[in-house]
Amino acid sequence: AQSVTQLDSQVPVFEEAPVELRCNYSSSVSVYLFWYVQYPNQGLQLLLKYLSGSTLVKGINGFEAEFNKSQTSFHLRKPSVHISDTAEYFCAVSPMNYGQNFVFGPGTRLSVLP
Amino acid sequence: GAVVSQHPSRVICKSGTSVKIECRSLDFQATTMFWYRQFPKQSLMLMATSNEGSKATYEQGVEKDKFLINHASLTLSTLTVTSAHPEDSSFYICSAGGSGKNIQYFGAGTRLSVL
Repeated sequence: AQSVTQLDSQVPVFEEAPVELRCNYSSSVSVYLFWYVQYPNQGLQLLLKYLSGSTLVKGINGFEAEFNKSQTSFHLRKPSVHISDTAEYFCAVSPMNYGQNFVFGPGTRLSVLP
Repeated sequence: GAVVSQHPSRVICKSGTSVKIECRSLDFQATTMFWYRQFPKQSLMLMATSNEGSKATYEQGVEKDKFLINHASLTLSTLTVTSAHPEDSSFYICSAGGSGKNIQYFGAGTRLSVL
């Protein structure tokens, strides 16, 4: 079984400041890793994904994440946030050999302040 | 990227009525679709996995007779909440599996409010 932990339920940050949203996971098998963003009353939009290869993954809207296998982490970063980045961010994992089952973390609410 | 359309976006109904939610993959064929439920300020919880042409696989604790899932074609899956009650009020989100590795494309969600 898999589990995903997002240590920060809320992250307030000022506009143009850097931000890091933390994600750790637990799994007995190898997994793919994802970050999704959810704007109010909307579905989820894929920000980025790690499937294989380089551990530094670049996504949309200037976000990037780094996979650290030894620490079982997949933290999301952005060097300079905008007001429009205010949203809920979900980290998710999917076991490589078990179809497309996803396990989501509890989410982190990013609030960008003017 | 792939587009998944979910309809309706919001529905308000009386207790005891049934509500159908549609999930369509617009530009790709999805052999597998997923239905999630999200409570306020919480994460997504998988309710069931819907496979085209076969019965859905429900997660533990999800009532099969209450949440009826039909996946009659490669582009359409429906979730029917039967005899809805106020405790069924929630945000329901569908997703469709793409041809890529474990990629899911999400609909915009349906806000169900049962009075």
